[in-house]
Amino acid sequence: KQEVTQIPAALSVPEGENLVLNCSFTDSAIYNLQWFRQDPGKGLTSLLLIQSSQREQTSGRLNASLDKSSGRSTLYIAASQPGDSATYLCAVTSGNTGKLIFGQGTTLQVKP
Amino acid sequence: GAVVSQHPSRVICKSGTSVKIECRSLDFQATTMFWYRQFPKQSLMLMATSNEGSKATYEQGVEKDKFLINHASLTLSTLTVTSAHPEDSSFYICSARHSGANVLTFGAGSRLTVL
Repeated sequence: KQEVTQIPAALSVPEGENLVLNCSFTDSAIYNLQWFRQDPGKGLTSLLLIQSSQREQTSGRLNASLDKSSGRSTLYIAASQPGDSATYLCAVTSGNTGKLIFGQGTTLQVKP
Repeated sequence: GAVVSQHPSRVICKSGTSVKIECRSLDFQATTMFWYRQFPKQSLMLMATSNEGSKATYEQGVEKDKFLINHASLTLSTLTVTSAHPEDSSFYICSARHSGANVLTFGAGSRLTVL
């Protein structure tokens, strides 16, 4: 059974810092991995999607890497801003079914 | 871009009543929709997969008679929480998969509070 773990559970940093969020999964036979952002009481916004054949994806200040063999992904946020404060969720699919298995999330607070 | 609308965004009901939550894909067809539940400070847990024109597939531990799912058209899936109890209070989120594409769009979620 696929399990997804995110470390740390919470993170507080001053504005401007570069930071890394970690995600690990137990079954390396994934179809793709996604990183989402969730604001309090809101739905999910997709940030980056990495197919199983890819090593990384970049969007603006965000960079996500994938090491399928070791079951790890990282989300790198450069030059963090207070507006980046949110919960970041990592999710994997094990086939082309669209069924996502989510991690517990990392709640990020960026202080001005 | 693709938009998924959930309604209502918030609902409060008395214990024992039933509540219906709608998930609509506004500008695309979705043969498959997914329903998730999120308890406070926890992650999203998949409840069921809803396929247009057929019965939903429920995850282990989810009571299909309690959480009724109907996917009657390519743009609408509904989740009905029957005989709701306080422990059903949660944040329910749907996602819709574009027909023929591996792209998922999430709704904004519906917060259910059962008194």
